[in-house]
Amino acid sequence: AQKITQTQPGMFVQEKEAVTLDCTYDTSDPSYGLFWYKQPSSGEMIFLIYQGSYDQQNATEGRYSLNFQKARKSANLVISASQLGDSAMYFCAMREGGSSASKIIFGSGTRLSIRP
Amino acid sequence: DGGITQSPKYLFRKEGQNVTLSCEQNLNHDAMYWYRQDPGQGLRLIYYSQIVNDFQKGDIAEGYSVSREKKESFPLTVTSAQKNPTAFYLCASSISSGLNYGYTFGSGTRLTVV
Repeated sequence: AQKITQTQPGMFVQEKEAVTLDCTYDTSDPSYGLFWYKQPSSGEMIFLIYQGSYDQQNATEGRYSLNFQKARKSANLVISASQLGDSAMYFCAMREGGSSASKIIFGSGTRLSIRP
Repeated sequence: DGGITQSPKYLFRKEGQNVTLSCEQNLNHDAMYWYRQDPGQGLRLIYYSQIVNDFQKGDIAEGYSVSREKKESFPLTVTSAQKNPTAFYLCASSISSGLNYGYTFGSGTRLTVV
């Protein structure tokens, strides 16, 4: 069963606008961590932001924030004031607690394109 | 600077040939991972290792093999049994398998069958 779902294969956004990338997840483990990574065309994976399942506040890192809605199992990434350099693939990912704590599983990604 | 080095950046394999992708880290991380990425898709786990001399199969281990003889190194061999090896391969490491520890990734190896 797919555990990370990103329903937007691609998005186009005007420069300087805010953008929300959707992510829903599925787990029965009360302890888990959620991550967002950016992958430019060069292929490297860049860590953006982390949210723990027990964190009370939504995570923020500069222009990135994570809209964490635990009851809905939703962890959307919000990018404020988008820039041309934000054009990339974005992956939502999850690490569960328990015996499988070692692995991070990834969604299928959203390709974000910023228009000048 | 600490990081993960993957080599080569591009690799071409003939049919029926085994090839080995290198992954070296100087971050003193315990855990290392190999993922495969096909065009327009997410990452799928091939193998992972939490300690030296121990590793576990991921979701798509068939046709691949690994070793973990040193903490710093986690090479991946793509064997002739892997029928569709053309893909982008990413190596990653993590300081711990704790929940709040993400991955540090290498820059990837693009493998093409010719």
